[in-house]
Formats: sequence, C-alpha cells, structure tokens
Amino acid sequence: EAGVAQSPRYKIIEKRQSVAFWCNPISGHATLYWYQQILGQGPKLLIQFQNNGVVDDSQLPKDRFSAERLKGVDSTLKIQPAKLEDSAVYLCASSWRGDYGYTFGSGTRLTVV
Amino acid sequence: AQTVTQSQPEMSVQEAETVTLSCTYDTSESNYYLFWYKQPPSRQMILVIRQEAYKQQNATENRFSVNFQKAAKSFSLKISDSQLGDTAMYFCAFMKLSGAGSYQLTFGKGTKLSVIP
Repeated sequence: EAGVAQSPRYKIIEKRQSVAFWCNPISGHATLYWYQQILGQGPKLLIQFQNNGVVDDSQLPKDRFSAERLKGVDSTLKIQPAKLEDSAVYLCASSWRGDYGYTFGSGTRLTVV
Repeated sequence: AQTVTQSQPEMSVQEAETVTLSCTYDTSESNYYLFWYKQPPSRQMILVIRQEAYKQQNATENRFSVNFQKAAKSFSLKISDSQLGDTAMYFCAFMKLSGAGSYQLTFGKGTKLSVIP
C-alpha cells in the first residue's frame, strides 16, 4: 500500500511569513495526526482528526497555527505568521486502528530565518 | 499526564553485537500500549515493536525484543546482531485511550544509536 505522503520536503521562510504543509494519509485510515518535532526532541502532537472532525487540538498554538481535513482525506497545516521557534520537522501520521500504532510520513523540515 | 524518559541520549555498538536501549514511563493507567519507533536520517518514523500492557509476555520481532517490567514502569529495547542499517534515532512511546475516545502517542526524547563497522 502507498504510505503517508507529505509535501514539501523542505521549506525555508522568513519570520512573519506564512507557510502550509500538505498530507495525504493511507487510504482508509480515518485518523490523521500532525506532530511537531523540534531538533533533539521527540515528536509532540499538535492536532488529531477523526475523519474530518477535530478530536484533540489542545496543544495547537491557535493564534498562529491552523489545520483542516476537508472530506476526511488529505489535510493541510498552516502557520501564519511564523516565528523562529517554529523551526522543526512537521510529521503527519495516520492510523486505521490507533492502538496498533501509526504510519508516519517523511515529514517537512521547516526553517524560519 | 504521561511522561516517557529515555536516559541515554547517545549509544554506540559494534556490528553484530547486542545493545539495549532504556525507557521508563510514568502513568496511573492500568491498560496502555508501549512502542519503539526508529527514525533514520530519512526522518520517517518506523514502527519497530509494540507491547500491550496487559500481556506479561515480552514482544519480539526478529532481532528486536523488549523487556517489559510493568511494576517498575520500564520498557527496554534489545537489538541483537546489530547491523549498520540499525543506525538511527530510537524513540520510546506510550499510548493510552484518551478522554476523547482516541488513542494518542506520547514520545520520549530519543536515543541516537550508532552501529560501528
């Protein structure tokens, strides 16, 4: 089966600019997750979708981050305006049954200068 | 909130030797799942092994096995016959059923493993 697709692979922007990341999960996976991985740390959950509804966005900085999953398939994560501390790898994952683990994409490395 | 601690930031092992990565966690839950994920330089997180807390038997996957000590809240990963392709970051992760009725993973900070030829 095809894996979780993410784009772009790399992105460099200046602070205060906006950026968007795209994720296409594995077909049939109802649950989709966005994680932020700062250098030297483990991934941290930003938002979780079940189909096209938000299950948990308690750790999403809502003043600058937004995410949507239209039609319950692919998803976009947006940052506006970006700050230097947003520099990180943004990982998307999906699952059919969460307790069996997630399948991750290769992530987008964001550098804010 | 659950916390996952990996006390070894970096480790190295000779090719074909055995290495053990440590992980401890803190939770008041009785039913949960534990995972080890591998993250090579390609950045993709790859599931290595999964353990159900209610199962006493330690999980094994080929050269990978775990030592799960529920009372001690310890979950170590043993890699036997280490290969160069095992070089990666290894993350221990805890999962429980959240209040929203979904499963969520909480990760440790990772251990960087280098396999030396």
